Amino acid sequence: GAVVSQHPSWVICKSGTSVKIECRSLDFQATTMFWYRQFPKKSLMLMATSNEGSKATYEQGVEKDKFLINHASLTLSTLTVTSAHPEDSSFYICSAAPGWAYSNQPQHFGDGTRLSIL
Amino acid sequence: EDKVVQSPLSLVVHEGDTVTLNCSYEVTNFRSLLWYKQEKKAPTFLFMLTSSGIEKKSGRLSSILDKKELFSILNITATQTGDSAVYLCAVPGGTSYGKLTFGQGTILTVHP
Repeated sequence: GAVVSQHPSWVICKSGTSVKIECRSLDFQATTMFWYRQFPKKSLMLMATSNEGSKATYEQGVEKDKFLINHASLTLSTLTVTSAHPEDSSFYICSAAPGWAYSNQPQHFGDGTRLSIL
Repeated sequence: EDKVVQSPLSLVVHEGDTVTLNCSYEVTNFRSLLWYKQEKKAPTFLFMLTSSGIEKKSGRLSSILDKKELFSILNITATQTGDSAVYLCAVPGGTSYGKLTFGQGTILTVHP
């Protein structure tokens, strides 16, 4: 149980393009999902908390207009990197857990999306 | 600010060896500590620890938490090459259990 699916797994695109990444909880509902970014040989850094039916909460230093998050249903959150530039190239990972934000369940991660901006 | 520190940062062993990975933490409102294994893709869940002194075990992997001394260890016995990975320790913080603060990770390399 507790499977999180992320799509696509790899994207290469030109500078200036917007890229949408999907995160789905396959066998459970999640009112909250999380988006992380990971640089090579570094640990995961939380970018934002995606809340179903309301605005996302962004971590300090993360541009909300650059990284648009939509959580339209209890099983789907999307991250759109708008007008992507080479410095946005990274490994983006989402996570979710069954239940709601205050339930002490472990987070399960999607397989990640490797984004390369040329 | 919540803080998680792992040691060692990297470890190279031979198959059959036993390894111990360390994780110390500082968190304002402790709820749990989680261990993950990361290979080429995203982290996969290993253990969630909430109580001191109770060992969690899965095959050759085991983990224990000490809430008084604020640390946890992850043991791997009879290591295999498939155990080579980055092992991440994380604690949830803030008002949401899902908002994880990660340690730097321990890179484990197991040679045949």
